[in-house]
Amino acid sequence: KAGVTQTPRYLIKTRGQQVTLSCSPISGHRSVSWYQQTPGQGLQFLFEYFSETQRNKGNFPGRFSGRQFSNSRSEMNVSTLELGDSALYLCASSPGGGGPVDEQYFGPGTRLTVT
Amino acid sequence: DAKTTQPPSMDCAEGRAANLPCNHSTISGNEYVYWYRQIHSQGPQYIIHGLKNNETNEMASLIITEDRKSSTLILPHATLRDTAVYYCIVRPRLHYGGSQGNLIFGKGTKLSVKP
Repeated sequence: KAGVTQTPRYLIKTRGQQVTLSCSPISGHRSVSWYQQTPGQGLQFLFEYFSETQRNKGNFPGRFSGRQFSNSRSEMNVSTLELGDSALYLCASSPGGGGPVDEQYFGPGTRLTVT
Repeated sequence: DAKTTQPPSMDCAEGRAANLPCNHSTISGNEYVYWYRQIHSQGPQYIIHGLKNNETNEMASLIITEDRKSSTLILPHATLRDTAVYYCIVRPRLHYGGSQGNLIFGKGTKLSVKP
């Protein structure tokens, strides 16, 4: 099976702009989660989508949003970019339920630099 | 906040077993122990998980103490490619139709495998 893919891998944006990142989960996986990783804060959870609905949300401002499509692919959007949004954005997919555990498998990430 | 405590760093000689400890003294009965690792600038990689019995897969072994307050991840024959940050994470049992919740990453243990 192909792994989780994320596009683009690298992105440079200017303060005030907006950005959209894309994630394609492992085939058959219905849950997609997004994480932000920075040197200062480490890995932090943004949100989780399952069957096109947001199922779980972290503590991030409303500038961060996401959505999931019927084929389970997901996008996240950051509006009005700030310098502090520079980070590695990671997407993880999992089957989404049906058993007691639900391992998440991560993509390679999108490295966003805001100047 | 992360519910686990890990040493910040460890060294291991190539070819020897790497034993990575994790303390999770407040773990509850329905919580699993997960291990992930992150090789520099890549997405985290799922390694193994367990509830109360010891577990082994092709990557590693997980030893959980009888009181479940601590665990040890064992890489039986460490190689240079095992150099990474290893994260021990506690997650609740998944209930059907629900979410197992996001992964809460602490600072992990930076394992350096040396030739």
